[in-house]
Amino acid sequence: AQSVTQLGSHVSVSEGALVLLRCNYSSSVPPYLFWYVQYPNQGLQLLLKYTSAATLVKGINGFEAEFKKSETSFHLTNPSAHMSDAAEYFCAVTEADSNYQLIWGAGTKLIIKP
Amino acid sequence: DVKVTQSSRYLVKRTGEKVFLECVQDMDHENMFWYRQDPGLGLRLIYFSYDVKMKEKGDIPEGYSVSREKKERFSLILESASTNQTSMYLCASSRMGWVSYEQYFGPGTRLTVT
Repeated sequence: AQSVTQLGSHVSVSEGALVLLRCNYSSSVPPYLFWYVQYPNQGLQLLLKYTSAATLVKGINGFEAEFKKSETSFHLTNPSAHMSDAAEYFCAVTEADSNYQLIWGAGTKLIIKP
Repeated sequence: DVKVTQSSRYLVKRTGEKVFLECVQDMDHENMFWYRQDPGLGLRLIYFSYDVKMKEKGDIPEGYSVSREKKERFSLILESASTNQTSMYLCASSRMGWVSYEQYFGPGTRLTVT
């Protein structure tokens, strides 16, 4: 069964620094991959998704993620952290025969230091 | 803009009470989902529905039931609330037909069972 691992339950970076949030999936079959963000006291919203087109995917608020099949990874980056990026980030994966279900990582809380 | 609304942001109930959580979406989506979110566990699927009156169990259906009488409305029912059901409950919806369609989330209901 597919699984998703997010390394680090909390990541702390300084304002203006590079953000790197890691996501690895388990399947050998390229899946569809998503990053969602949850701001405090809100529901989740889609940041970006990979659907087998370009391997580098750009999302909202300067975030992007690169699909690397050889590493079964889909890490999320932002070149310059803003205070407003403080949130929890979730990686999720689905497959063509999954009946629309998403498999979720445990989430990574991003902390921005002034 | 897709809107997914949930009936309450915060709810406090007593052990043994029957609890109804309601979710409404306004984008004519076929799929609707109920998740439970707990710290360190990410999102866990309770039930989902791909059509009116259709439902499928997710990963943790025990202690829960659902109802979908109208396309836009999906209800989660806790037949007899217990303290271990204290959690954040998130509703989501998505289009049918292509697995990479993203899920749209409501703001969540934080349920406390005392």
